[in-house]
Amino acid sequence: DGGITQSPKYLFRKEGQNVTLSCEQNLNHDAMYWYRQDPGQGLRLIYYSQIVNDFQKGDIAEGYSVSREKKESFPLTVTSAQKNPTAFYLCASIASGAVGYYYGYTFGSGTRLTVV
Amino acid sequence: QQQVKQSPQSLIVQKGGISIINCAYENTAFDYFPWYQQFPGKGPALLIAIRPDVSEKKEGRFTISFNKSAKQFSLHIMDSQPGDSATYFCAASTGNQFYFGTGTSLTVIP
Repeated sequence: DGGITQSPKYLFRKEGQNVTLSCEQNLNHDAMYWYRQDPGQGLRLIYYSQIVNDFQKGDIAEGYSVSREKKESFPLTVTSAQKNPTAFYLCASIASGAVGYYYGYTFGSGTRLTVV
Repeated sequence: QQQVKQSPQSLIVQKGGISIINCAYENTAFDYFPWYQQFPGKGPALLIAIRPDVSEKKEGRFTISFNKSAKQFSLHIMDSQPGDSATYFCAASTGNQFYFGTGTSLTVIP
């Protein structure tokens, strides 16, 4: 079955440490996204990529970095510059239709990151 | 600035009742309005979606009502069941950019 795989499901980060969250999709989707979810704040966009080797900052990109070397993969690195990284991180992808993005996102199952 | 405003933040409904969640937007360029359902510890899943050229879309017990002039849309869950207990997000999009509401936590009491 096609879908998005996020790993790990749970991740613990020490102070000053960089960690990388994995996101892989086999849907042949062009665009991929990273969202951060905090209680009561909905989904906030961190980064997105519409094609390989290109990505744009979202609303809360500070302290995060991404790469898009392959169409299937869009890893997110949470750097030590992100002072409050504890959250639930969601990866999403979408197909681009001939008349626009009328398909909705497919989301992964998320990674819960906790600072220890 | 919140592009999509969602209410209520939480909702408790008796089994068999109707759950109603409302969303409002300002950007008239939005042309796709999906609703997502999220269970604890899981990613959101697309539930139902509507385009602004129709006023209502129904799929089973779930209905979207869309009021273009008021820039509002709502999700109605008929005959609500305990299994519907989840967080629901509305969203609006133009092109490849999606904007989400802050979510509604729905609890259906048996």
